[in-house]
This record gives sequence, C-alpha cells and structure tokens, in this order.
Amino acid sequence: DAGVTQSPTHLIKTRGQHVTLRCSPISGHKSVSWYQQVLGQGPQFIFQYYEKEERGRGNFPDRFSARQFPNYSSELNVNALLLGDSALYLCASSLSFREKLFFGSGTQLSVL
Amino acid sequence: QQPVQSPQAVILREGEDAVINCSSSKALYSVHWYRQKHGEAPVFLMILLKGGEQKGHEKISASFNEKKQQSSLYLTASQLSYSGTYFCGTAWYNNNDMRFGAGTRLTVKP
Repeated sequence: DAGVTQSPTHLIKTRGQHVTLRCSPISGHKSVSWYQQVLGQGPQFIFQYYEKEERGRGNFPDRFSARQFPNYSSELNVNALLLGDSALYLCASSLSFREKLFFGSGTQLSVL
Repeated sequence: QQPVQSPQAVILREGEDAVINCSSSKALYSVHWYRQKHGEAPVFLMILLKGGEQKGHEKISASFNEKKQQSSLYLTASQLSYSGTYFCGTAWYNNNDMRFGAGTRLTVKP
C-alpha cells in the first residue's frame, strides 16, 4: 500500500508569493493533519481535517488555509509568504481522531 | 499548549539505557511517541491510552501516568539504530488534534 504522498518535495519562493502544498493520505484514512517543522524543533500543528471539515486549527495567521477534498486528499495554502515561513511542511494521515499518525516525507519550503 | 520534553539531548554508548520524559499541563487522553531520523519523516513507535499503561516495542517501552499527566519512554540496551530525535505527541480530552514536544535528540555511539 502506498504511504502518505506529498508534493512537491522542494519549493523555492520569494517573499509575498503564495504557495500550494498537496497531500494524498493512505487509502482509507479520513483524517489529514498539517504540521510545520523548523530545523531542530518539533512539528507545530497547523490544521486538522476530517471528512472534509476543519476539526482543529493551530496558532497560525490567516495567511494559512487548507481544505480537504471528497477523495480525502488535502491542500495547504500559504499567502503573502514571509521569510519565517521557510520550513518543512509535513502532512500526516490517520484513520480518525487521536489515532496514530502516518507522516509523508514533507515539502521543504524556502522563502527568499 | 505543547507538551514539555526532557532532556533536550542525550548521548549514549551502545548498550546503555536512557529515559525521555514528556509532561502536559492539560489532562491527557493519550500519548504518542515518534522517532525521526535526520532528513526523514517522523515514524510512529507506540501509543498509550490509559493511565498507568505500559507498552513495549522491542527494547523500547513507555509508561503513561494519567494522574501526573506524564509519560516516559525507556530505551534499554541501546543500539546504533536508536539514534534520532524522539517526539512525544499528546492528545487532550477537549480537542481532536495532536501537539508535539520540542523533541529529544538521542545519539548512540559505538
């Protein structure tokens, strides 16, 4: 079975641009969560979606948004990029709430 | 709202033991433990659901003290493959998502 897949793997943007990151969960998983991980730190929770509805939001500005599609795949959008948005963005899928998370390999975003 | 992990870093020789602690200021529903190797995604190790529960995974085990809102990860007779950063993830009763600690960097040397 395929694991969690994320695209693209690497991305370079300039300040002020917007970016869309994509995630395909493991087949059968209905929950998708997004995390931001800065080098040397733990993953910071951004969003959780379950059955296409937002079920949790972390302490991130409104420039960050996400959605989940009928096939349970998900997109994370970040507008008006700042240098501080440079990080590894991880997507994790799970069967439901509080279940073990399966992480994708992440998208490394660099904002110049 | 993130759990607090300690220590921040540990250096061991092969065969030595280590304990990593995770504490929360809010009532815990469950605690997860993950390991992340350099340049890779975090990988699930185990989940603890009940107060006082202990679980094991090879020579890695964990305990969960619901009353103290703490969990500890025990690594015994460490192997080189145990090197990586260990994260605890906590889920609380009043929300559905998972929050992670800052991580404990474990280095096992020959």
